[in-house]
Order: sequence, then C-alpha cells, then structure tokens
Amino acid sequence: DAKTTQPPSMDCAEGRAANLPCNHSTISGNEYVYWYRQIHSQGPQYIIHGLKNNETNEMASLIITEDRKSSTLILPHATLRDTAVYYCIVREDQSLGGKLIFGQGTELSVKP
Amino acid sequence: SAVISQKPSRDICQRGTSLTIQCQVDSQVTMMFWYRQQPGQSLTLIATANQGSEATYESGFVIDKFPISRPNLTFSTLTVSNMSPEDSSIYLCSVRTGAHYEQYFGPGTRLTVT
Repeated sequence: DAKTTQPPSMDCAEGRAANLPCNHSTISGNEYVYWYRQIHSQGPQYIIHGLKNNETNEMASLIITEDRKSSTLILPHATLRDTAVYYCIVREDQSLGGKLIFGQGTELSVKP
Repeated sequence: SAVISQKPSRDICQRGTSLTIQCQVDSQVTMMFWYRQQPGQSLTLIATANQGSEATYESGFVIDKFPISRPNLTFSTLTVSNMSPEDSSIYLCSVRTGAHYEQYFGPGTRLTVT
C-alpha cells in the first residue's frame, strides 16, 4: 500500500513556483522520500530524493519537515513542459531492499 | 543514469495469445523491475528480477501468467501469457542504479488485447 497522500490535482501559472505537497505521516527512520514525475505517454522520471535534510538539484528542491511527516517538492519556475503527474514515494533504504511503490500522485497542470 | 529501451513499443494482440516484452539497458545493473500501468491508473509493481535468481512476484501476480527471464546484467524479458482484455496496459521496465540507488524507467510497451 502507498504510504503517502497527495492532492489529486493542482494548477500553476507558467513562470511561477509550483509547490507540491505530500503527507507521509507514518514514515519510519530508514525510509527515504522520493519524487518522480510521469509526462503523458512516457515512463516515470526521477526528480529528487531525501532522508531528512532539504535537497536541491537542477530540476527541483525538496523540503522535508523536521518531523519528516510531510514534504514539499518545489519547481522554482514552472514551464508548460512540467505538466505531468508527480509521485511522492517513501522507500526503504536500498540495503533493506526497499521497493518503489507508486500511489496516485498529483496531476500538475501548468497554464500559460 | 541509465538508458533503457523496450521492444515492442506497442502491440495489439488477440486474447489467448502470449507476448514477450524485451528490456535492454545500456549498463550492467543488478536490480530490474517490471511494472504495469492500467489505463488511467498509477504504476503497479509486478516483480523484481535480479540476475542469477528467480524473479520475486508481488501479491496478485504469478509466474505462470507473467514469466520473467533475466539472462544477464543488461537484459530482461517479461511474457504476458494467455492474454485477456484485462491485460491491456502499459508495461514498464525499470532498473535501480546510481550512487543513490535511483530508479530509472523505460518508455513502456503499450499492449492492447482484443
């Protein structure tokens, strides 16, 4: 079963920051938070992941609350090409054989 | 990262037949996965396929219906056997690699069963 809760859909204006929330209140100490996105008719694309510290890469920033029960994916300047379904996933550490289990995700629509 | 290709990209098959989907990776990887995405739905993990061992199937999926081969570290196949219209889905191959064990996905195989 998916261990995360996400809003089913969100809109964002082009050029503005897109902030996608995720609730993972039952996360355990050895579970990481991963974000993927799936653009229509393509395979999912890895975006970013984190354990407890905030993370940033060329695609996005990940903000994890201090209690680790929720996180926010931030796309700083959304473009039309960022329209996709975004999946927040918690996964056990690799050494424990954690599997990537997808929930329903958030369908982000970036509008001009 | 890893570059993953799948063959065929799409197919239309008759019920009762079988289809074998191929997954090729551009680098050696230990862990490969097969997922199914039914129309309008999220991805569901079918099985984990590690080289040199039997595939491990998730609840609701059985080897007789979805036999998997993993002959080497860059290749795997998934067969969808005795197909019915309910098997119409996108089937995706995935690999785990990278410094942080990121998981990468192929483009998928879109299967329609008539």
